[in-house]
Amino acid sequence: AQTVTQSQPEMSVQEAETVTLSCTYDTSESDYYLFWYKQPPSRQMILVIRQEAYKQQNATENRFSVNFQKAAKSFSLKISDSQLGDAAMYFCAYRSTGNQFYFGTGTSLTVIP
Amino acid sequence: NAGVTQTPKFRVLKTGQSMTLLCAQDMNHEYMYWYRQDPGMGLRLIHYSVGEGTTAKGEVPDGYNVSRLKKQNFLLGLESAAPSQTSVYFCASSYPLGLAEEETQYFGPGTRLLVL
Repeated sequence: AQTVTQSQPEMSVQEAETVTLSCTYDTSESDYYLFWYKQPPSRQMILVIRQEAYKQQNATENRFSVNFQKAAKSFSLKISDSQLGDAAMYFCAYRSTGNQFYFGTGTSLTVIP
Repeated sequence: NAGVTQTPKFRVLKTGQSMTLLCAQDMNHEYMYWYRQDPGMGLRLIHYSVGEGTTAKGEVPDGYNVSRLKKQNFLLGLESAAPSQTSVYFCASSYPLGLAEEETQYFGPGTRLLVL
């Protein structure tokens, strides 16, 4: 089974600064999808960004971008110009070709005013 | 378009009691999933379904049963609740890979279950 590892249980960033959340995964598949989800205190899971493994170009969504290193099996999330509303738990997830999703244990992000 | 809904939002059970959590989606998704979320452990897959009438075990299926009698509904049952099943339960749905451009999951708001 695939595993997803988030080695940073907690991170903090000053408002307007940039922060990078780390994610690594283990797989033998060549084709898959990677995601970052945000979970605010409301507990609703919100999709932040997605990346197809066959695409070399890193995905970008406004202030959110990823650094996808397929050979290293690394998928980090960069949040630029951090805002108070970015404070949440962030989960990295992997979707296999078998259509199961695997989640990391999450990184709790605090944004300091 | 309500997306994914879950019923109930919160429930307290005594050990040994049974209950059913209901998940409904109106996006015509083929795949549906049940996860549990515990502190420090992320989301773990309990059971999933790839279509009406089908179910499969996930990572932590023991103590749970599921049914998918209708495409839009996915039920999670606890026959005899245990304190270890205290958790937040999330339902999700998605298209199969290759069937649509969207490959992500859509989540319900969660059900908080407390077993005493």
